[in-house]
Amino acid sequence: GESVGLHLPTLSVQEGDNSIINCAYSNSASDYFIWYKQESGKGPQFIIDIRSNMDKRQGQRVTVLLNKTVKHLSLQIAATQPGDSAVYFCAEIPPLTDSWGKLQFGAGTQVVVTP
Amino acid sequence: EAQVTQNPRYLITVTGKKLTVTCSQNMNHEYMSWYRQDPGLGLRQIYYSMNVEVTDKGDVPEGYKVSRKEKRNFPLILESPSPNQTSLYFCASSFQGAGGKNIQYFGAGTRLSVL
Repeated sequence: GESVGLHLPTLSVQEGDNSIINCAYSNSASDYFIWYKQESGKGPQFIIDIRSNMDKRQGQRVTVLLNKTVKHLSLQIAATQPGDSAVYFCAEIPPLTDSWGKLQFGAGTQVVVTP
Repeated sequence: EAQVTQNPRYLITVTGKKLTVTCSQNMNHEYMSWYRQDPGLGLRQIYYSMNVEVTDKGDVPEGYKVSRKEKRNFPLILESPSPNQTSLYFCASSFQGAGGKNIQYFGAGTRLSVL
């Protein structure tokens, strides 16, 4: 079936370096994608989103890239800080013709920032 | 402060004893949803509600019930809990933005253990 998944379960990054978290999706009709950050003991928190008619979107220290040709989504975090240590989820929303708001989440990537 | 509030945060119960996890949001959002989070499986949607008195099944609805009598509240009911419902539960709410934009705001989570 269709699914959203992440390539790496754990990513270790040195403080100050850039982080890249990858996500593969298989539903080519999905038109909206979101990245969430989940810190220990907390609920997921919105980071950034991107619509399928875009290739790139930038936020504060974060950039999301969308490659529809290979159905690949990535989250780049610039100058990673200790506070970036968390689990990161990508999520997709199927087309509007499907159930609105039905987010499908990937399994998550644990990012560990080392000094 | 805009927030999604779940109660209780932690709950230990026994098989078969009915329980309710409450969820309340103060953002006047139409859409609310319940997820469970299990190791290696990410977040899976249990039920969602598009508005008052409108609910529908998510991906894993078996063993759960919900109700949406008021816009702000969306309780999750386990009529006869079983050990396989031991999990971390999240409530979320959102509004329908333009073009299907749907940023969901999550509560802090309820950790449930069914013995």
